[in-house]
Parts: sequence; structure tokens; C-alpha cells
Amino acid sequence: AQKVTQAQTEISVVEKEDVTLDCVYETRDTTYYLFWYKQPPSGELVFLIRRNSFDEQNEISGRYSWNFQKSTSSFNFTITASQVVDSAVYFCAQGAETSGSRLTFGEGTQLTVNP
Amino acid sequence: EAGVVQSPRYKIIEKKQPVAFWCNPISGHNTLYWYLQNLGQGPELLIRYENEEAVDDSQLPKDRFSAERLKGVDSTLKIQPAELGDSAVYLCASSAGGRRDTQYFGPGTRLTVL
Repeated sequence: AQKVTQAQTEISVVEKEDVTLDCVYETRDTTYYLFWYKQPPSGELVFLIRRNSFDEQNEISGRYSWNFQKSTSSFNFTITASQVVDSAVYFCAQGAETSGSRLTFGEGTQLTVNP
Repeated sequence: EAGVVQSPRYKIIEKKQPVAFWCNPISGHNTLYWYLQNLGQGPELLIRYENEEAVDDSQLPKDRFSAERLKGVDSTLKIQPAELGDSAVYLCASSAGGRRDTQYFGPGTRLTVL
């Protein structure tokens, strides 16, 4: 069975601060997939990034960066120079070969960026 | 390219009434998913379709929930009769090539059962 833990329920920062959202996953599968989704107040889950278990390369996309470490089963997400528009709930999710395409989501982290 | 479309966006009904949600996936996406999202929680899969076939419906409460995807494109999720505990957001997602592909979500339908 898969499990995703997002220990931070809520984070509040001031605009232009850097913020890191933590994600820890559990799985017995050797092949699995990790995702981050953003859910703004409008409700739609917006896909941000996908990482496959066999690719530990970190990634940077503009102000967003992701740190995937298999040794600690973590897939953390950092926003640099946060903006008010980054305010949303962020979900980490995991899929695995043995669970088909069933995604297991964490509880989400509510990020509030104040002006 | 248009995203996943869902309607209605909001629905308020009284308990014991029936309700239906509609989803149109991204063009060309063969796999369609229905998720349930309770307040303050992450989404949970209800059912997955590969074309017209429901290949994973183990989490669907079949006594009151039903779903269909007759022509392998649009899908409808129905609840009959609705209960107070069904108040939640119902999300539809689609992916291109099956279980390994990234899922893209629609805006969801927020259901309130009074």
C-alpha cells in the first residue's frame, strides 16, 4: 500500500520569501511515480510536476524547484520568491505499478502568501 | 487545447434526491477517472475507465453510486439516493495512455446535500 504524508497543514509567508513544502512517501514498489498538484480557490487541481522513481534528477522550473531523494523517501517542493498568486493548497501524490493508475494523495498543505 | 470539463460546478440538493455529474475529458484521452474529495483531504479514486470499460471500481459504493461512459468519451456519475455524507467535491480526471500517464483534472463539482 502507498502512503503520502504532508506534515505541514498550513504555511503562511510574506511575499518574496522562499518556502519549502515537504512530502514523504511510503511504498514497497520499486517502480513508482510522484506528483505535485496545485489547487487554487477555484478548485481545479493543476498538474505541476511528475517524477519517476528511476529518475532522481532534481528539477527547476522558474521559481519552482523539486528535490527528490529516494534515500529519505522525500519529494520536497520549493517556491523561491513567493508571490500572492502562489496561495493555494498543494498536494503531493504517488502512483505505483502495482496499484494501476490509482493515485494516493497526501492531505495537502495550505500555503498563504501575504502581501 | 481544452482541459477536462465538468458540469455543474455546484449542486445543492436535499437528502434522498438523485444527482448526476457530467465529465468531458481532454480530447484523445482514453482513460477517465472519478475522484471524491472531502473537505481538507486529498482526492480518493472512485472509478477508472479505460475507454468504455470500468477497470477499477473497487472504491465505488455501488449501493447508491453508479457511473457510465457509454461511447468512451463523456462520463456521468450518479448518486441515488444522496445522503448527507455525500457532500464533497467530485473531481474528474483524464490521461492519455493509461495507468502510467499523468492525470489532468477538471474543476470539480461541489455537492451539498441538505
